[in-house]
Amino acid sequence: DIQMTQSPSSLSASVGDRVTITCRASQSVTSYLNWYQQKPGKAPKLLIYAASSLQSGVPSRFSGSGSGTDFILTISSLQPEDFATYYCQQSYSSPRTFGQGTKVEIK
Amino acid sequence: QVPLQESGPGLVKPSETLSLTCTVSRGSISSYYWSWIRQPPGKGLEWIGYIYYSGSTNYNPSLKSRVIISVDTSKNQFSLKLSSVTPADTAVYYCARGPTPVTDDAFDIWGQGTMVTVSS
Repeated sequence: DIQMTQSPSSLSASVGDRVTITCRASQSVTSYLNWYQQKPGKAPKLLIYAASSLQSGVPSRFSGSGSGTDFILTISSLQPEDFATYYCQQSYSSPRTFGQGTKVEIK
Repeated sequence: QVPLQESGPGLVKPSETLSLTCTVSRGSISSYYWSWIRQPPGKGLEWIGYIYYSGSTNYNPSLKSRVIISVDTSKNQFSLKLSSVTPADTAVYYCARGPTPVTDDAFDIWGQGTMVTVSS
């Protein structure tokens, strides 16, 4: 199985801050890396697919980069509705695996 | 109308079989892959397996011996059966569309999830 490791596990930030979350795969997943946002009591929502492609309807303040084993999710200017938990997920091979999540909290 | 909706018992006894159904209410179940994903309380996400509308399946090896995913195209539904459950199977169970080729095999549409508790 490909292990996905996110850092940090949690972070505190203020509205307007630039936030970056890192995801590392235990082996190359080329660009088959996706990012999801999950709010409490809700299902995950696809934000970014193929490492850097913005899902339809997702604000442009979200962006993704990376390839191979190292990936970054960036929120350019944090908004109140962005406080949530973010997960990376590899779709390169089975079993599909997720990172452990990064919780973005209000400072 | 929610595009995907899970249904099934919220409480299952240990050693019994957990059974859930996902109804695709918007669009056709055809030409897509459909997955089950679960999330234990306070924990991360675990992919259980997927089925193609034609019936071919792929399961997570960690659960493969206990999982059956099936599809009923006439009802626009797919289902999950997880046998010999233990309290460790307590989780919110999500159905999702995917892997979806147009999004490089991401899970692009999710149901709202249903909580299943395993307890006597």
